[in-house]
Amino acid sequence: AQSVTQLDSQVPVFEEAPVELRCNYSSSVSVYLFWYVQYPNQGLQLLLKYLSGSTLVKGINGFEAEFNKSQTSFHLRKPSVHISDTAEYFCAVSSNTGNQFYFGTGTSLTVIP
Amino acid sequence: GAGVSQSPSNKVTEKGKDVELRCDPISGHTALYWYRQSLGQGLEFLIYFQGNSAPDKSGLPSDRFSAERTGGSVSTLTIQRTQQEDSAVYLCASSVGGRGSPGETQYFGPGTRLLVL
Repeated sequence: AQSVTQLDSQVPVFEEAPVELRCNYSSSVSVYLFWYVQYPNQGLQLLLKYLSGSTLVKGINGFEAEFNKSQTSFHLRKPSVHISDTAEYFCAVSSNTGNQFYFGTGTSLTVIP
Repeated sequence: GAGVSQSPSNKVTEKGKDVELRCDPISGHTALYWYRQSLGQGLEFLIYFQGNSAPDKSGLPSDRFSAERTGGSVSTLTIQRTQQEDSAVYLCASSVGGRGSPGETQYFGPGTRLLVL
């Protein structure tokens, strides 16, 4: 089985500052990794995902994440955040057979003007 | 095209009542998932439908929870004899191929916010 840990439940950051949201996973098999964003009163939407190939993945809205197999991490980064980035961010993992999807507990990003 | 829709958007009920939550997946998506999102928790998997196959019910927390998917499209999640701990946001998601297509994106609805008094 796989599991996901998002250590930071809340991250406040000033507008135009950089941000990193941390995600660590555990798995005994090869995995696929995802970041989803949930804006207030909306469902989740995909930001980016890592399936294979380049370990640096670029997503929508200027976000990127880097897969680090040795550290079992998939941290999400943005060099300069906007007010509109205020949302809940979820990291997720599935095995490469796709039998189950596991979500982290989420990180609430608040961008301060 | 239209995304995943869910109804009602909000539901307030009294303890002990039954509730039905509806999900309309994206047309053509063969896979449908239900998740529960409680405050401070991640998304908890409840049930997975894939085409005409038997659903994976391994995430249902008790026998008070059941779900159906009619005609391979619309799904209804039913909670019988609701308890206060059932209060949560119930999210539905659909995807093209489901677990047979590892790595594909799940598309989520806006959720139903259930409050059991």
